[in-house]
Amino acid sequence: DQQVKQNSPSLSVQEGRISILNCDYTNSMFDYFLWYKKYPAEGPTFLISISSIKDKNEDGRFTVFLNKSAKHLSLHIVPSQPGDSAVYFCAASDSNSNSGYALNFGKGTSLLVTP
Amino acid sequence: SAVISQKPSRDICQRGTSLTIQCQVDSQVTMMFWYRQQPGQSLTLIATANQGSEATYESGFVIDKFPISRPNLTFSTLTVSNMSPEDSSIYLCSVGGGLANEQFFGPGTRLTVL
Repeated sequence: DQQVKQNSPSLSVQEGRISILNCDYTNSMFDYFLWYKKYPAEGPTFLISISSIKDKNEDGRFTVFLNKSAKHLSLHIVPSQPGDSAVYFCAASDSNSNSGYALNFGKGTSLLVTP
Repeated sequence: SAVISQKPSRDICQRGTSLTIQCQVDSQVTMMFWYRQQPGQSLTLIATANQGSEATYESGFVIDKFPISRPNLTFSTLTVSNMSPEDSSIYLCSVGGGLANEQFFGPGTRLTVL
């Protein structure tokens, strides 16, 4: 039962434009959301996170938006660069559950930024 | 963030055998985790490796199949026992970071079972 869904397996964006990666979740108890970036043959790298008490968190070119009523979050990358080409994973956790530290991951979206 | 290494980085094994994967962290950490990523799937938490006590397994994973050791605060091992082709996956260890739910991952071990 996939509680975190990334419905776009791939996305192609031109360099300099905005990349928008989407993520939906089904568990209303999730209260912490994270984005990871993964290059081939490497482990996922933490990118940015957001707590459920916020609706936006920004870090340089990366901004994450959270819409709790829609159970939806998105990652915006502006401007996109070729080095951003990677697989992006959305993850969520319920800090009050027995497995409070367990991260529930989506299947990932492969982003390609073309020059 | 912590620097995490895993050994081996990849292996090809015969069915019925076992493989032990090592995870080493460059600093002491309280929380260590083991994940699996099957081909085309998301990362799935196998268990939380607890120092000085038995690991805590997620639903669908059992100690007999995935025994875990955590002898100290910088090291853990995951054994994949009696392997079958369905165990072909990337296995990753992670550690808890500065924030409560932030985790940092090792480079992964790519396992192929023939």
